[in-house]
Amino acid sequence: AQSVTQLDSQVPVFEEAPVELRCNYSSSVSVYLFWYVQYPNQGLQLLLKYLSGSTLVKGINGFEAEFNKSQTSFHLRKPSVHISDTAEYFCAVRFTGGGNKLTFGTGTQLKVEL
Amino acid sequence: DVKVTQSSRYLVKRTGEKVFLECVQDMDHENMFWYRQDPGLGLRLIYFSYDVKMKEKGDIPEGYSVSREKKERFSLILESASTNQTSMYLCASGPIPGQYEKLFFGSGTQLSVL
Repeated sequence: AQSVTQLDSQVPVFEEAPVELRCNYSSSVSVYLFWYVQYPNQGLQLLLKYLSGSTLVKGINGFEAEFNKSQTSFHLRKPSVHISDTAEYFCAVRFTGGGNKLTFGTGTQLKVEL
Repeated sequence: DVKVTQSSRYLVKRTGEKVFLECVQDMDHENMFWYRQDPGLGLRLIYFSYDVKMKEKGDIPEGYSVSREKKERFSLILESASTNQTSMYLCASGPIPGQYEKLFFGSGTQLSVL
């Protein structure tokens, strides 16, 4: 079955520390991968995406993610977080050949503390 | 900037009422989507539409219907609201079928069914 897993529901981190938010997927077909961010009381915004090519993709606000096909992962990283990064982060996957559906993970709440 | 507008930020309805959630986008997008967002479950696709008068079921369509009479407007209908439909509802739109990197989200409608 095709699925998206975000194992960490909450990640607390101190300001200026590095952070990694994990995303794994299960699929027997090719995938397109996305990270979205939701700030409090707002809709979702696209952070970055992997469609093809280089497996290391850079997004907005200093975030980057690496596609690892062998581990079926697409972890999100930032070397130094800021208070303003406090938000909920969603990994999303489009599975090719399965209709044009975007499947979201359950989300990770990133809380940056002083 | 692309704008996806959801008519209500908060809505309170009674069990059994017919509920309409409205979504309007101003960028002539072909694709429009309705998701519901629940804590610990992430975003789940209810219905989507590729064009006027076209609709397709998502992953959790039971208890919902949709209407797309005009390209810019996509309505979600709860024929007889139930308490388990209390949730945050997010509308999204995108310009090219299948190209989800162009998905834009509204701010959401928090629906409470009493």
